[in-house]
Amino acid sequence: EIVLTQSPATLSLSPGERATLSCRASQSVRSYLAWYQQKPGQAPRLLIYDATNRATGIPVRFSGSGSGTDFTLTISSLEPEDFAVYYCQQRSNWPPLTFGGGTKVEIK
Amino acid sequence: EVQLVESGGGLVQPGGSLRLSCAASGFTFSTYSLHWVRQAPGKGLEWVSFISSSSGTIHYADSVQSRFTISRDNAKNSLYLQMNGLRDDDTAVYYCVRAGDGTGLFDSWGQGILVTVSS
Repeated sequence: EIVLTQSPATLSLSPGERATLSCRASQSVRSYLAWYQQKPGQAPRLLIYDATNRATGIPVRFSGSGSGTDFTLTISSLEPEDFAVYYCQQRSNWPPLTFGGGTKVEIK
Repeated sequence: EVQLVESGGGLVQPGGSLRLSCAASGFTFSTYSLHWVRQAPGKGLEWVSFISSSSGTIHYADSVQSRFTISRDNAKNSLYLQMNGLRDDDTAVYYCVRAGDGTGLFDSWGQGILVTVSS
């Protein structure tokens, strides 16, 4: 089973600041890494797939990078609606499909 | 617009059974693979099960293998999860999720349904 480790667990930032979230895989997932955003009381939403591709309707301030075992989600300038929990997920080698433990981006 | 609406959740005693349903609309249901993903209260996301478009391929997480059964009815645009031998740690919100790439990409999610296992 591929284990995904996200860091930091919590990121405290102000609106307008840049957010950098990390996801590390226990073995290579090639580029089959996705990012999801989840707000309280809501279902997750796909943001980024295959490491770098924005999903339909996702603003350009969200970008993904990386390959192999190290990945980054960057939010270039935080908007109020971006404060949420973010999960990474791999589909390179499954079953099982696995998620990281999440990074909470909170208002400082 | 893609819509996935779960139903059938609720409170059940340990060892009991429950059947979740997911009604789909807004896309050609019979051409998409589907998943169930769950989230325990205050915890992260856990993949539960996968079924291909024709039901020819099915996978389960080890934690539910032999207790849960995934199925679908393409004529009714519906996905199901039969859950038997429920345990306390099965308590979670269960999401019906469309596989965007036919396999492991979760591109559309239902709103989720809460299953509580407690005596």
